[in-house]
Amino acid sequence: GQQLNQSPQSMFIQEGEDVSMNCTSSSIFNTWLWYKQDPGEGPVLLIALYKAGELTSNGRLTAQFGITRKDSFLNISASIPSDVGIYFCAGHQAGTALIFGKGTTLSVSS
Amino acid sequence: GAVVSQHPSWVICKSGTSVKIECRSLDFQATTMFWYRQFPKQSLMLMATSNEGSKATYEQGVEKDKFLINHASLTLSTLTVTSAHPEDSSFYICSAAMTGRWFFGPGTRLTVL
Repeated sequence: GQQLNQSPQSMFIQEGEDVSMNCTSSSIFNTWLWYKQDPGEGPVLLIALYKAGELTSNGRLTAQFGITRKDSFLNISASIPSDVGIYFCAGHQAGTALIFGKGTTLSVSS
Repeated sequence: GAVVSQHPSWVICKSGTSVKIECRSLDFQATTMFWYRQFPKQSLMLMATSNEGSKATYEQGVEKDKFLINHASLTLSTLTVTSAHPEDSSFYICSAAMTGRWFFGPGTRLTVL
């Protein structure tokens, strides 16, 4: 199936550092979403973006919907140990299911 | 947020048996639900789109006779893995959409011995 290009694949950072990850696609999406998945659990929605150029924050998380509608990024500021997990971007086009990126595995050392 | 449940959360079965996984939207009605499969250290791959009252739409490469999907009501979709084999061992996750947001169940870990 189709997948989005998500990078980086993994990150190892110190507690307190900021983190940035992004997703790109060759297709235009109407919606971009960012999820976090803990081991053995389903993805949990972090931020949803519905308009090109939209910049949305959720606590220490900030995400943007790219102007071209083909990309999105997620920033996490002042990381803490509980930020550890796998972060997935997902895009949606009308009439289709969500398409996921390959994920970014975040490790935070204290 | 909206809640999606799955049952069972994990199941171990013998090769050749069938396993049914339920997905329920607990506090909203979902005309469409989605089934994903996730192998270790990989992303979620869409298997099929389940439409209430009609046949499911399967992604390329997914055997519809092996992965039977029934969406009998607006709050329940079931995935039955028929004649399961060890290569079917995976994490199966369902999703339901509501007002432009997609909510996921907690997943079902299937292990086929």
